[in-house]
Amino acid sequence: DAKTTQPNSMESNEEEPVHLPCNHSTISGTDYIHWYRQLPSQGPEYVIHGLTSNVNNRMASLAIAEDRKSSTLILHRATLRDAAVYYCILKAGNNRKLIWGLGTSLAVNP
Amino acid sequence: NAGVTQTPKFQVLKTGQSMTLQCAQDMNHEYMSWYRQDPGMGLRLIHYSVGAGITDQGEVPNGYNVSRSTTEDFPLRLLSAAPSQTSVYFCASTSPGGLGIQYFGAGTRLSVL
Repeated sequence: DAKTTQPNSMESNEEEPVHLPCNHSTISGTDYIHWYRQLPSQGPEYVIHGLTSNVNNRMASLAIAEDRKSSTLILHRATLRDAAVYYCILKAGNNRKLIWGLGTSLAVNP
Repeated sequence: NAGVTQTPKFQVLKTGQSMTLQCAQDMNHEYMSWYRQDPGMGLRLIHYSVGAGITDQGEVPNGYNVSRSTTEDFPLRLLSAAPSQTSVYFCASTSPGGLGIQYFGAGTRLSVL
């Protein structure tokens, strides 16, 4: 399974944009890029996914490099409630199993 | 929607005791899974099921049993609890098709003394 590399931790200020990077240099052509986040004392929750094109939804935006070897999750205006661990995961085709790394712990300062 | 419901939220066991962690989902998903999460480690897959009557082992299955008699329920059983099983346990239900989004319960925090 292709792996991802994320910084252990990042810090942001409230109401500023946050760019969370993820490297996945061994990604294959059929791998989707999924992002989840885990708020304190909760289970992970789905944020966004993409294959080749940039994606937007109500929670965040996903920018995917042209060679697909990296991606960036963008929170346009961080709030205190966005403090969480963010996981970048590659999902291969119809494979239901996800390989969970340690993610990036995001702290948001008031 | 209730989504994925796990009970109990907290549990303390003595070494050697048995218990069942309950998981139920109301999304009619075929694929369900159990993870454990320990400090400094990512989520590790314990067991999973691709449908009623079908289960398989994940990365760390030792000490745990599962069964899947209905689509909705996927209980995890600890037959003889050990301190090494102290962890937070998450149940997940996965949407069908290629997208395969995982929906998680709130977790069960288990301490084995």
